[in-house]
Amino acid sequence: EIVLTQSPGTLSLSPGERATLSCRASQSVSSNSLAWYHQKPGQAPRLLIYGASSRATGIPDRFSGSGSGTDFTLTISRLEPGDFAVYYCQQYGSSPITFGQGTRLEIK
Amino acid sequence: QIHLVQSGAEVKKPGASVKVSCKASGYTFTNYDITWVRQAPGQGLEWMGWISAYSGDTNYAPKLQGRVTLTTDASTNSAYMELRSLRSDDTAVYSCARNPRGHWYFDLWGRGTLVTVSS
Repeated sequence: EIVLTQSPGTLSLSPGERATLSCRASQSVSSNSLAWYHQKPGQAPRLLIYGASSRATGIPDRFSGSGSGTDFTLTISRLEPGDFAVYYCQQYGSSPITFGQGTRLEIK
Repeated sequence: QIHLVQSGAEVKKPGASVKVSCKASGYTFTNYDITWVRQAPGQGLEWMGWISAYSGDTNYAPKLQGRVTLTTDASTNSAYMELRSLRSDDTAVYSCARNPRGHWYFDLWGRGTLVTVSS
């Protein structure tokens, strides 16, 4: 199975700053089949990005995804208070589907 | 509005079974697959398997193969996850999620069902 490693484990930033989250796969992700979610405490995950770089419906353009093969990045250009959450990457190019362990984005 | 509404929390003893339901509304049920994901306390997300609401085809995580069964009932727009031979490490929030047919990213999630396994 493909193991996804997210870094950093915790990212401390202030509103208005830029966030860069990394997701590295143990082997190439087929067809860039990689998604990003964020999850706030007590809530279900919300889809942000699919296909490595396509924004989901209703996601503002402050969120962007990039990368291919084994290295993927989620960038949030200007952090807003509602962006502080745990972020997960997920690969769906190979079975079993796997998730990264998460990056906690916290207010500095 | 588009929703996935799950059944309520369960407490089970080790060795028992649990069946969690997920009722869809606001969209054509058979146009999407349903995937189940669980999250143990303080842990990340674990994919359990998916089922096509159109054909009933399934694919299960190897770790759970033999203990989990996914089903759907198109007449009630509902999906079900049954997990057998429960152990304490099955304690988790179990969530259903919708994915477009043939694409396994999840654009709609249920709020989750807490299953506690304890003697």
